[in-house]
Amino acid sequence: GQQLNQSPQSMFIQEGEDVSMNCTSSSIFNTWLWYKQDPGEGPVLLIALYKAGELTSNGRLTAQFGITRKDSFLNISASIPSDVGIYFCAVAGSNYKLTFGKGTLLTVNP
Amino acid sequence: DVKVTQSSRYLVKRTGEKVFLECVQDMDHENMFWYRQDPGLGLRLIYFSYDVKMKEKGDIPEGYSVSREKKERFSLILESASTNQTSMYLCASSDREWQYFGPGTRLTVT
Repeated sequence: GQQLNQSPQSMFIQEGEDVSMNCTSSSIFNTWLWYKQDPGEGPVLLIALYKAGELTSNGRLTAQFGITRKDSFLNISASIPSDVGIYFCAVAGSNYKLTFGKGTLLTVNP
Repeated sequence: DVKVTQSSRYLVKRTGEKVFLECVQDMDHENMFWYRQDPGLGLRLIYFSYDVKMKEKGDIPEGYSVSREKKERFSLILESASTNQTSMYLCASSDREWQYFGPGTRLTVT
């Protein structure tokens, strides 16, 4: 099946630092999604991207849909302890099926 | 507020037991999904369903079956649980590109 390459696998940062993670694919997709999973919970949608080149913000989070439609990145500014969790990128394929990246585990040191 | 609920947060079963994981959504969504989540492997799709009594295999269906008798309910069945099915199981529903997830069931097979 389709694979997404998400990096980095994990990050350990100090509170207040900015964070950047990205996701790449060998195929073109028209919808990119970013989810966050808090410890012990299910993933929650953060941002949905539908247009190549689109830059979308949600509070301290900013995500971009790459112009080639083969990549996306997520930035978190001024991190806080509650940003801890696993961040997943995902792409939408046929029949509303999603393919997920393997996730980026973020740890924030207060 | 949208809601996907799963019958148990934690479950411990013995090898060879038949295991039922239940998922209920209150959003009248057509599509429902079952994933398993393992460290370093991300979310992998087991089965999904477009409608009542409809089901499709995902990427890793071996050892699992599903049932969708009512629109709001999607059950995952482990006919004979094995230790390699110890995992976090996540249910999701959708009516468009993004999916809403339940809180997950952490299943341990001993």
